[in-house]
Amino acid sequence: EAGVTQFPSHSVIEKGQTVTLRCDPISGHDNLYWYRRVMGKEIKFLLHFVKESKQDESGMPNNRFLAERTGGTYSTLKVQPAELEDSGVYFCASSQDRVAAFFGQGTRLTVV
Amino acid sequence: DQQVKQNSPSLSVQEGRISILNCDYTNSMFDYFLWYKKYPAEGPTFLISISSIKDKNEDGRFTVFLNKSAKHLSLHIVPSQPGDSAVYFCAASETSNTGKLIFGQGTTLQVKP
Repeated sequence: EAGVTQFPSHSVIEKGQTVTLRCDPISGHDNLYWYRRVMGKEIKFLLHFVKESKQDESGMPNNRFLAERTGGTYSTLKVQPAELEDSGVYFCASSQDRVAAFFGQGTRLTVV
Repeated sequence: DQQVKQNSPSLSVQEGRISILNCDYTNSMFDYFLWYKKYPAEGPTFLISISSIKDKNEDGRFTVFLNKSAKHLSLHIVPSQPGDSAVYFCAASETSNTGKLIFGQGTTLQVKP
């Protein structure tokens, strides 16, 4: 069974540009989460989808971040326009129950 | 305000000995706790969990202890192996909530051969 897959694994963009991260959860998992780790600190919650609906987006930093989950399958996280402080590793996780158990390998975003 | 804290950034242990990783939390609404292991350039991997109705959960070499009155949990690894060298994250959740995880800062464990 395939795990949680994230694309791309690395992205380097200039300040002001747009970047879109993609996450393919484990098949059948209704719950999908986005997290971010900045500068080797703790992993912080961004938002939670249940199927295609946003259940909790309390961790989204600001309106430059937009997350979608088309048809309740894969999810995208768009940052527009990117700022220097957006650099970090973005993790996606999925689960059948409400406690995220399976994480993807992460996308390392560097804004220069 | 950090709700989950891992006060030891690093820990070094000899192979075969016990590793004890600690975690403290402040939110009394947390009712489910997890430990994740993370290797460089990989995502966190679920290791073991414990519900607040228990005080101990064991899985092979890994045991998690929960002290609710002290708001403290610990992960014991015995015997420690070099392959256990990784960053360990403690996480907590209010399962009645969205199920989002609140993570600690992580502890880097090095097991020396």
